[in-house]
Amino acid sequence: DAGITQSPRHKVTETGTPVTLRCHQTENHRYMYWYRQDPGHGLRLIHYSYGVKDTDKGEVSDGYSVSRSKTEDFLLTLESATSSQTSVYFCAAGGTADSYNSPLHFGNGTRLTVT
Amino acid sequence: RKEVEQDPGPFNVPEGATVAFNCTYSNSASQSFFWYRQDCRKEPKLLMSVYSSGNEDGRFTAQLNRASQYISLLIRDSKLSDSATYLCVVRGSYGQNFVFGPGTRLSVLP
Repeated sequence: DAGITQSPRHKVTETGTPVTLRCHQTENHRYMYWYRQDPGHGLRLIHYSYGVKDTDKGEVSDGYSVSRSKTEDFLLTLESATSSQTSVYFCAAGGTADSYNSPLHFGNGTRLTVT
Repeated sequence: RKEVEQDPGPFNVPEGATVAFNCTYSNSASQSFFWYRQDCRKEPKLLMSVYSSGNEDGRFTAQLNRASQYISLLIRDSKLSDSATYLCVVRGSYGQNFVFGPGTRLSVLP
């Protein structure tokens, strides 16, 4: 158990509504990531954080925003959900200031359905 | 060319067989390499890191060939529980992110 929890585990929402997914880690990892996984596309990076209040975009960041106000929490927000954002979302964390190359550990995912 | 490429499979092998997967990467500056396994509808889990000299963990052996820019995973004496998708992951130098391959699906058959 890598100490990474995601909430909610499942969510169904309507098009146009805002949605926030939460990732919480207990291992004091410096780096945190949000990925989405869709059939035929594998894991794609949405946003990542390299420290408190330090975030940057990944390859599929349009329509998403993130915030990291504490080391342990990384929030992903869909400002106005669309059906194309129906996916499985994984949070991951890894690395410390002294161990940049340590591997990622994943949360158990959030299944989001936008109707 | 994609940054990390894998044969998607599926590889269907009988129990007890030896199976090998390769993964190629395009960024010659890549410094960290990993194999993850992902079960259906579950999160990816670290299987093993891959070191320059190669490394072994029980029935699993990983190799890195920097000159040809590929890494490999060998599974000996396959078990039914080895059935999963195996993801190759590469990371570049400082400041670069993890890049995931699309995965290779393995089915071990009784």
